[in-house]
Amino acid sequence: KAGVTQTPRYLIKTRGQQVTLSCSPISGHRSVSWYQQTPGQGLQFLFEYFSETQRNKGNFPGRFSGRQFSNSRSEMNVSTLELGDSALYLCASSGTGADYGYTFGSGTRLTVV
Amino acid sequence: ELKVEQNPLFLSMQEGKNYTIYCNYSTTSDRLYWYRQDPGKSLESLFVLLSNGAVKQEGRLMASLDTKARLSTLHITAAVHDLSATYFCAVDLRSQGNLIFGKGTKLSVKP
Repeated sequence: KAGVTQTPRYLIKTRGQQVTLSCSPISGHRSVSWYQQTPGQGLQFLFEYFSETQRNKGNFPGRFSGRQFSNSRSEMNVSTLELGDSALYLCASSGTGADYGYTFGSGTRLTVV
Repeated sequence: ELKVEQNPLFLSMQEGKNYTIYCNYSTTSDRLYWYRQDPGKSLESLFVLLSNGAVKQEGRLMASLDTKARLSTLHITAAVHDLSATYFCAVDLRSQGNLIFGKGTKLSVKP
């Protein structure tokens, strides 16, 4: 069973630009959630999507947005990048029943210069 | 506001010794997770604890959950260098992908 796939692995962007990150969940998983990890703030929840609907959102500014497609793949977008957005962005997919739990992808390392 | 507190945050152990990492959380939850993270890598799932009294073991690691005390422990038995990593506990809010993580325990096992 293929794992959670995140692309790209590394990204360097300039302040003010925007960026889109992609996450393909484990086949059959309909829930995708996103997290930001920084040395100062640790792991923080961004948002969660289930069947193309955002069910839950963390405490991040509106510059952070996401969506989910009918095949459960999800994207997150950050507009007007700031230096403080430099982080490891992780997505997790979750199933139901015996498949319960959160499996994380390898992450996208975003550097804003 | 839900808080998840891990202690210790840093742990230096000698090989062969035993130790316990503690995870306290401030609200009711029946779902708790333990993850391992190696430097520069993603989170690897170690244990999923879904009910009060749950105990799971894998190799030298054993995790338990006491929902009444709002406490989970990760016990390390006879540590080896390969266990050196950062360990996170996370509490599941509303089962909607909103995991609240502790700050992590950075474990270093020395020969």
